[in-house]
Amino acid sequence: DAGVIQSPRHEVTEMGQEVTLRCKPISGHDYLFWYRQTMMRGLELLIYFNNNVPIDDSGMPEDRFSAKMPNASFSTLKIQPSEPRDSAVYFCASSPGEHGDTQYFGPGTRLTVL
Amino acid sequence: GDSVTQMEGPVTLSEEAFLTINCTYTATGYPSLFWYVQYPGEGLQLLLKATKADDKGSNKGFEATYRKETTSFHLEKGSVQVSDSAVYFCALIIGNTGKLIFGQGTTLQVKP
Repeated sequence: DAGVIQSPRHEVTEMGQEVTLRCKPISGHDYLFWYRQTMMRGLELLIYFNNNVPIDDSGMPEDRFSAKMPNASFSTLKIQPSEPRDSAVYFCASSPGEHGDTQYFGPGTRLTVL
Repeated sequence: GDSVTQMEGPVTLSEEAFLTINCTYTATGYPSLFWYVQYPGEGLQLLLKATKADDKGSNKGFEATYRKETTSFHLEKGSVQVSDSAVYFCALIIGNTGKLIFGQGTTLQVKP
């Protein structure tokens, strides 16, 4: 398997623009997670899905952020409008099951908002 | 709430030195515990895990033992290599949520 795939790997945009990050989980994995990593706040869970259904979005910072999972092989994280404080590395991860299962991380998308 | 605390970094060691990175946790239930490693420019990779008290996880010469009495999961390696230079994250999962809670990460630098 190719592992978790994220695109783009790098994104540079200007404040106010819409940004869409994409993720393809490992085939057969039921759980998908979106994380954000910054120097100040470390790794934060933004939202996660089980069988394409959002289960917990309490980590989504504000209404400018939205995430969708239209099918088992694709998810998006959208920021509209983007702000400089959204600059971070965004990771997608997937997991085959529930308690104690390993999460497999993608390589991340480095977002810079100017 | 549930949380993970790791020792402050960076940790700088010479090659072949002994490594310990401390990790303690606070949890209301019985978590599974993990160590993840992040090499520069990459995503996180599972290094090892333990799912119940007294379990020892091991991989690539690294070990950690789930100590319920001290709520700890310290990472150890007997002889580090330059290639072990990375950021190490301790994490836990509670119940059936699947939500990983991470520590702040500890940077390890190994010098030749």
